[in-house]
Amino acid sequence: GQNIDQPTEMTATEGAIVQINCTYQTSGFNGLFWYQQHAGEAPTFLSYNVLDGLEEKGRFSSFLSRSKGYSYLLLKELQMKDSASYLCAVRDTNAGNMLTFGGGTRLMVKP
Amino acid sequence: DGGITQSPKYLFRKEGQNVTLSCEQNLNHDAMYWYRQDPGQGLRLIYYSQIVNDFQKGDIAEGYSVSREKKESFPLTVTSAQKNPTAFYLCASSIRGGDNSPLHFGNGTRLTVT
Repeated sequence: GQNIDQPTEMTATEGAIVQINCTYQTSGFNGLFWYQQHAGEAPTFLSYNVLDGLEEKGRFSSFLSRSKGYSYLLLKELQMKDSASYLCAVRDTNAGNMLTFGGGTRLMVKP
Repeated sequence: DGGITQSPKYLFRKEGQNVTLSCEQNLNHDAMYWYRQDPGQGLRLIYYSQIVNDFQKGDIAEGYSVSREKKESFPLTVTSAQKNPTAFYLCASSIRGGDNSPLHFGNGTRLTVT
């Protein structure tokens, strides 16, 4: 099976930068997604990485290292509305090319 | 506006009853999915369908059933055989199955079985 690990909770201050890490183990890696989910709402797509390196999208960036089985989501200039859970998901050819999700990281942004 | 609609938002049932959760999309997506989310756990795949009239079991299909008679609709039935049905259920769709197109999620149905 697939192992995807993320910290359960993180706290950061408004205006600061926070990095949310995700590690995975699979021989069938075929892409990694980050989603944002506010409590009781639908997850929304943030970013996609399939090659090594950094993908930047406004205040959010995502990094991937396939050799290390590691990704991170970087959030800059934090705003209160960024308080949410952040889900890491890996597409795995060993799982019919379906997405397997980590448990999510709940981020609390404080004033 | 295109999107995915799940209904109802909250659903209450007595143990032993089957219940069907609705999922409709007007995004013209080929693939649709059902996930279950429990507190502190990641989303777990129940069933998915990559094309009309075809669907496959996900990781936790026992106690659930689906149908895909129309491209727009992918209802999920939670049967009395599902041992722990109380959960938050999320429906999603993507342009195609198994490629890099992102999933679009509905707002979820919170099912409580007592």
